Order: sequence, then structure tokens, then C-alpha cells
Amino acid sequence: SQQGEEDPQALSIQEGENATMNCSYKTSINNLQWYRQNSGRGLVHLILIRSNEREKHSGRLRVTLDTSKKSSSLLITASRAADTASYFCATDDGGSYIPTFGRGTSLIVHP
Amino acid sequence: GAVVSQHPSRVICKSGTSVKIECRSLDFQATTMFWYRQFPKQSLMLMATSNEGSKATYEQGVEKDKFLINHASLTLSTLTVTSAHPEDSSFYICSARSRDRGYYGYTFGSGTRLTVV
Repeated sequence: SQQGEEDPQALSIQEGENATMNCSYKTSINNLQWYRQNSGRGLVHLILIRSNEREKHSGRLRVTLDTSKKSSSLLITASRAADTASYFCATDDGGSYIPTFGRGTSLIVHP
Repeated sequence: GAVVSQHPSRVICKSGTSVKIECRSLDFQATTMFWYRQFPKQSLMLMATSNEGSKATYEQGVEKDKFLINHASLTLSTLTVTSAHPEDSSFYICSARSRDRGYYGYTFGSGTRLTVV
């Protein structure tokens, strides 16, 4: 099964700054999803972007998808200390619809 | 919204014993359940996929006799770690996909921290 790869692996910023995380994948997809995981907890679904969409917004989150480059980015604007968590992208290959995850980006937002 | 209840959230067991983890979909029918395993500071690795009423499909390298998955109803799937050993200590998470919500509907449980001593 394929796996998205997040970049950077770790990101440390100050409250109020924007945080950008990237995800690259290998084969064609139906959709790409971003999740957040607080330390030792389950996953929280943030946003889903379909393969025919290029950009999507949800509150302070902005996700872009470039299928030609097989990459996606997650932008968190005006970050808060509560945004401190690990962020994962999940993709499904064209046929299975099974979400598979990248290694994740660990975001630390300093108050 | 759709909720998947996963229990227990934490369990400590002795080496050689078996542990059962339950995932229940509370307000929708989970036609497919996925079980993932996560080591510290690592990603989630798919262990197996189970469809209601069918045998689970295991990923390569996952011992099906060690990780028993049962998906007997549309609202309940269980993962039993048999004869657990310290190397089985990990974070286990289930995810449910509903036919009603199309292929894009995935809901994750809150996870189970298993520690084998």
C-alpha cells in the first residue's frame, strides 16, 4: 500500500505564526485527508480534499492539492498553542479506498 | 456526527495473556473496519481490514493467529491480541467506513494504549 510522506517531520513556531506542512504521495488517489493527533490520543479528521479539487478551506485551515506533483499542503493560519499536535495526511490508492498514512509532522506552537 | 467508541483506552496486561479491544459504531452501520497500529512517534500502519460477516484481510507481516479480528455485526468489531508479549505494546486504533456515507466516510476510534509487562 502507498504512503504519504509529510514534510517537515517537525515544526516549531510561535503563537500567531502560520504553519505549513506538506505531503507527497506516489500513485493516483481518490482523495486526500488531513488528520490531527494529540499526544497519545486518537485521530481527529480535519479536512478531505477530492482529487478533482485544488483548494479547500475550513476555518483557519487551508489545504491545497496538486495532483500533477502528487502533493498537498496544509496551512494553519494564526496558530495557537492548542494546535500543538502531530498532523498526518492519509491517501487512498485509486482502487482500494483504504486510507494509508504518512509519518506525520509534529507541530509545536509556543505561547 | 458519526462516532466510533473504542474500549478500553488503556490496558496493561501480563506477558502471555490475551487482550480484547472493541470498536463500536454508535450511530451508523460500519460495513468495513480497519485496524491500525502505531509505535511511538511513528505513523499508523494498517494491520487488517474486516468486512461485516467476512474474515479479515491482513496486511503482509501481520500474524493473523496473533491478532484475531472479529466483525460479527455492523456495529461491532473486535481485535484480540493473543499471548501478548512486550513487543506487542503499542497504540491500536480502529477506523470505520460506512456504506451509507460512501467511500469517503471514515471515522476513527480514540485508540487503545496496550502495555504488556
